[in-house]
Amino acid sequence: QKEVEQDPGPLSVPEGAIVSLNCTYSNSAFQYFMWYRQYSRKGPELLMYTYSSGNKEDGRFTAQVDKSSKYISLFIRDSQPSDSATYLCAMSAKNGGATNKLIFGTGTLLAVQP
Amino acid sequence: SQTIHQWPATLVQPVGSPLSLECTVEGTSNPNLYWYRQAAGRGLQLLFYSVGIGQISSEVPQNLSASRPQDRQFILSSKKLLLSDSGFYLCAWSFRDRGHEQYFGPGTRLTVT
Repeated sequence: QKEVEQDPGPLSVPEGAIVSLNCTYSNSAFQYFMWYRQYSRKGPELLMYTYSSGNKEDGRFTAQVDKSSKYISLFIRDSQPSDSATYLCAMSAKNGGATNKLIFGTGTLLAVQP
Repeated sequence: SQTIHQWPATLVQPVGSPLSLECTVEGTSNPNLYWYRQAAGRGLQLLFYSVGIGQISSEVPQNLSASRPQDRQFILSSKKLLLSDSGFYLCAWSFRDRGHEQYFGPGTRLTVT
């Protein structure tokens, strides 16, 4: 079993829809939960991160962590064609320092249709 | 603000040839630096990380090596490339005490023929 599981998609939605992207994980030691956006042939861009459980909101993006279920989500409100990209979740078990090894999901490809 | 650069952007190399990929960071001091490889459908794999000049930790045994000759410079090398070395190579940096927040460069797409 992989430490982090993520549905590869593709996920196709109409413009303006609410998008839900999810990851599950098996390591209960994970404390930091990150979401990256990666456009085709570009490097990943850090969207937001959450520490432990709870929600975090940044504009149209909301990250949610449920540690009891080992399940994290990224919601995108009022989705735009410019949101079309691959979304990667990543998780980390240690607090601070370079030894924060990030474990990545394989990414979900999102296409927002105009 | 901080900026991370990688070059070259794309590279096509024959099997058995050497490799040198370079990464530099601007706008910060004493960053942690990382090399990742991204293969299609397999996510990002951490290859090396560094907490300071000359300090390299390897995560995956392979024919690649890394060096950090200057504080904000990170180099990925190989003496002899294999076909399996093809992929998208990404450099990332983080603040010293915030290793969970990693910021990636634009990447180098390497094709070994």
